[in-house]
Amino acid sequence: GAGVSQSPSNKVTEKGKDVELRCDPISGHTALYWYRQSLGQGLEFLIYFQGNSAPDKSGLPSDRFSAERTGGSVSTLTIQRTQQEDSAVYLCASSPVGGTGGAKNIQYFGAGTRLSVL
Amino acid sequence: GESVGLHLPTLSVQEGDNSIINCAYSNSASDYFIWYKQESGKGPQFIIDIRSNMDKRQGQRVTVLLNKTVKHLSLQIAATQPGDSAVYFCAEVNQAGTALIFGKGTTLSVSS
Repeated sequence: GAGVSQSPSNKVTEKGKDVELRCDPISGHTALYWYRQSLGQGLEFLIYFQGNSAPDKSGLPSDRFSAERTGGSVSTLTIQRTQQEDSAVYLCASSPVGGTGGAKNIQYFGAGTRLSVL
Repeated sequence: GESVGLHLPTLSVQEGDNSIINCAYSNSASDYFIWYKQESGKGPQFIIDIRSNMDKRQGQRVTVLLNKTVKHLSLQIAATQPGDSAVYFCAEVNQAGTALIFGKGTTLSVSS
């Protein structure tokens, strides 16, 4: 596709259930990022993948959160034993390469998955 | 710590006016800044970026100004249009260079 694709667009789950959120980055982009956006807030970094390098997991809020990226393309963010405070919009972004400060590092975002934990 | 903030949560302007959205950052070592626009129900969309070796950068109807002395960033939108209504975020790169740190955003409302 032309842009970053995320699915599902909306997810309603019950407290304690596990959820999986999917991200298809722009074809050819080697860097992939997950962010979380709570209502009325800015984006909070969760995790970063760059090629075959070990991911930067420093933003994951707890061990209930994990993510993987298979084949250097599609990524899945998994939240185990969901809590009400996990309710937010989860945004995925990709960039041609990782790093900073240039056109190749600009992050392009998907529309997000709105997660509601009841 | 690293943080990026904005001066005003909301800004209301008339169509045709110029808009100025401000942002203050705390990490004096930051060398790259980006402005994003987020419309309702959509992900953030890149507007313009600037490196710390520049004071000003212009795009189409937008200008970003960087004042490193006071750690201040601003986005100027010329001849604001109703389609410019959105939440605007400034962001800086984290120290590891692996992700963006976003401020809380300014909601721009443009009335006809």
